Amino acid sequence: DTAVSQTPKYLVTQMGNDKSIKCEQNLGHDTMYWYKQDSKKFLKIMFSYNNKELIINETVPNRFSPKSPDKAHLNLHINSLELGDSAVYFCASSPGTRPSDTQYFGPGTRLTVL
Amino acid sequence: AQSVAQPEDQVNVAEGNPLTVKCTYSVSGNPYLFWYVQYPNRGLQFLLKYITGDNLVKGSYGFEAEFNKSQTSFHLKKPSALVSDSALYFCAVTDYNQGGKLIFGQGTELSVKP
Repeated sequence: DTAVSQTPKYLVTQMGNDKSIKCEQNLGHDTMYWYKQDSKKFLKIMFSYNNKELIINETVPNRFSPKSPDKAHLNLHINSLELGDSAVYFCASSPGTRPSDTQYFGPGTRLTVL
Repeated sequence: AQSVAQPEDQVNVAEGNPLTVKCTYSVSGNPYLFWYVQYPNRGLQFLLKYITGDNLVKGSYGFEAEFNKSQTSFHLKKPSALVSDSALYFCAVTDYNQGGKLIFGQGTELSVKP
């Protein structure tokens, strides 16, 4: 049983297109996150939702819009894709937002914008 | 502002030798520190964390980490390295009032040779 799953695993698309990445967790956690890992492997948080409420919204272009239909799902929609959006996007979840709560990561979605 | 530094981009060790992957941090409050490992084309796997209490933390796969408050460090260690330990290692930090936001170091590539 996969704890945090993401679809698709790979996404190749043209500049200007709109795409979505889906994330699901079966851990019963209240909090979910999106991280971006760039070509130098640097990891940076983008968004966080707790009980479907947005609580972290980093300096991310408004072309990126997260949506949490329920606690177990957090999707990422990206409009008007640009070359610089090429990266690996990781979803994660944690029991809550306490600093001691461990975050568990999904396998990642490699997005390539041509 | 929170920050994490992993001063070595790459660490090379021989199988069977002890390994150390270094991490220093900066936070305004009490630190909560994490180590994650990333194997090629995989997500991040949680290794261990420091919350409070004992400065020596034991984690998965025989790894441990030592919290040193005066040196603001949280180095990852293993007494005897395995070839299968070769991977990318990330240190991360958070503290209270961050809503679960983890700040990651830039990662250290560990290479264990037979």
